[in-house]
Amino acid sequence: QSVLTQPPSVSGAPGQRVTISCTGSSSNIGAGYDVHWYQQLPGTAPKLLIFGNTNRPSGVPDRFSASKSGTSASLAITGLQAEDEADYYCQSYDSSLSALYVFGTGTKVTVL
Amino acid sequence: EVQLAESGGGLATPGGSLRLSCEASGFNFSPYSMNWVRQAPGKGLEWVSSMTGSGSHIFYADSVKGRFTISRDNAKNSLFLHMNSLRVEDTAVYYCARDVRAAAGLVPWLDSWGQGTLVTVSS
Repeated sequence: QSVLTQPPSVSGAPGQRVTISCTGSSSNIGAGYDVHWYQQLPGTAPKLLIFGNTNRPSGVPDRFSASKSGTSASLAITGLQAEDEADYYCQSYDSSLSALYVFGTGTKVTVL
Repeated sequence: EVQLAESGGGLATPGGSLRLSCEASGFNFSPYSMNWVRQAPGKGLEWVSSMTGSGSHIFYADSVKGRFTISRDNAKNSLFLHMNSLRVEDTAVYYCARDVRAAAGLVPWLDSWGQGTLVTVSS
């Protein structure tokens, strides 16, 4: 089990706002390590969605935003669209582990 | 355009071996650290291994240490994963991914991913 915990699923109607939490601890997010987010559409490879806690790569719509505070981070999707239905993963580093990358448990976003 | 293309996946028996390849194009391959990340069927992402551009630093997840070997050929823009002593629990889609970091000491992220190659370990 990952040290970064996400809710297994969230859902919302088109146009609504949904948020996904990524809860860590003092050895990862709480230690100040950056959080990044990935989107994985069904049957495809993950795609970088947010890097450096809050930054969107070129081409990522501005309805995706993220923040970090304390031992947690969150991803928000405003104006939810059908094409946003996907799995979302946070990623950071944990000083108590030997892994170079630590991924969150993943959240399935369903558009109702 | 950055492109990463994995190959070499397939069916292996427990205790067997496979060699995965990742061919990179669209960018200067040699300066970048490269990674393997896997995803078991219906499960989340798991980082497997990382190698710096020069090959001077190599890292492995505890779950594969001593069984998997990462390597690269910068002249051929290629990354490899040699998998030995395969276990049923190694069954997964294996992705090749490029590593980016804002500065030394900061947490890197994976900005480009291949389409993945499926490894199935079964008797």
